[in-house]
Amino acid sequence: DTGVSQDPRHKITKRGQNVTFRCDPISEHNRLYWYRQTLGQGPEFLTYFQNEAQLEKSRLLSDRFSAERPKGSFSTLEIQRTEQGDSAMYLCASSIRQGQDMNTEAFFGQGTRLTVV
Amino acid sequence: KQEVTQIPAALSVPEGENLVLNCSFTDSAIYNLQWFRQDPGKGLTSLLLIQSSQREQTSGRLNASLDKSSGRSTLYIAASQPGDSATYLCAVRRLYNNDMRFGAGTRLTVKP
Repeated sequence: DTGVSQDPRHKITKRGQNVTFRCDPISEHNRLYWYRQTLGQGPEFLTYFQNEAQLEKSRLLSDRFSAERPKGSFSTLEIQRTEQGDSAMYLCASSIRQGQDMNTEAFFGQGTRLTVV
Repeated sequence: KQEVTQIPAALSVPEGENLVLNCSFTDSAIYNLQWFRQDPGKGLTSLLLIQSSQREQTSGRLNASLDKSSGRSTLYIAASQPGDSATYLCAVRRLYNNDMRFGAGTRLTVKP
């Protein structure tokens, strides 16, 4: 396992189309995060899973966005009816929670760059 | 609400110089602070993680410090090299939340 993997790396879509991104975390990591990053800004939190449970969602995650992690392994992020404002880098990260220890390092994938035209 | 600020926004130095990047955060109730490196168009590479109970961490030419009470962290890079050119981001993991809050980053250029 070489780290967090995201697919595709780049996606160009027309406004109004639906897109889906995939993230494969590091295999033993039970926590998975999605972030969005626009040019010149730091990543902004979108949502987080512990195993298959989606435990937190940002207000940035409008009803056009949905994320799943059906078996507690890979995750998908779907954007419906894309808008030009959705153009950004979508980053996935994973970490491991062991017992009460939350002080673990997060590892990021290479991201999916979405361009809505 | 946790706000994370990084100063300066951009920094250009000649090769070989030692430098310090700054990160400040408004809420000291954190689990940890992590420094990342990001190359243009790429994902984030973890550099150092400092637990809330720690004051510093070192990895090679990098040293990160944490003063939780004052809401500050610094990343010290010794003997900078052109390959260090990238954007450096700090992120704090808050207590009672599971997300990390990022600064906007410092864009570092090391000139040969």
